[in-house]
Amino acid sequence: DSGVTQTPKHLITATGQRVTLRCSPRSGDLSVYWYQQSLDQGLQFLIQYYNGEERAKGNILERFSAQQFPDLHSELNLSSLELGDSALYFCASSIGEGGYGYTFGSGTRLTVV
Amino acid sequence: ELKVEQNPLFLSMQEGKNYTIYCNYSTTSDRLYWYRQDPGKSLESLFVLLSNGAVKQEGRLMASLDTKARLSTLHITAAVHDLSATYFCAVMDSNYQLIWGAGTKLIIKP
Repeated sequence: DSGVTQTPKHLITATGQRVTLRCSPRSGDLSVYWYQQSLDQGLQFLIQYYNGEERAKGNILERFSAQQFPDLHSELNLSSLELGDSALYFCASSIGEGGYGYTFGSGTRLTVV
Repeated sequence: ELKVEQNPLFLSMQEGKNYTIYCNYSTTSDRLYWYRQDPGKSLESLFVLLSNGAVKQEGRLMASLDTKARLSTLHITAAVHDLSATYFCAVMDSNYQLIWGAGTKLIIKP
């Protein structure tokens, strides 16, 4: 157990729907990062939050949004889902700016049918 | 813009052999990370290299960093099947973001 908790582990939904993925960072970590990994692909950085504020944005679609709450957990909202959104979504956390690396959660496998 | 290149992207090798994965990056950084990912699983941190000349070893894996050459290597000694996985390197840029390599898929045959 890495200390980063992601729920749900698996999600199957239909095209056009909206889902919310949840992440609780490791205790004491202030930064949360969201990544998308399609089948046999590399990691695509989506967005970072630091202590409740958006810190950096990657290749995140307009249909996707995220936030970090005062208790530091984060949610990634995916709307108007398309088949191509099927992927593993990882959350990672770090103490500060990530100087000692990130700790990853176990991921949420999203399947859009 | 920092770019990170790993090679090879795919490596199939026999147990007992030695091999090296290379991670090159394009601009100055002194922080480099190696992660391992098993199929469908999460990423596990292997090594954090924080200075020029840093060398770290864990079991059959050894990682090193040459910041002047902008190169890190992950060396596998006497490979065993359990080391089959995808290995990613990541480099921290000036904005404190990790820039990831594409990953090296390593298959070790018994």
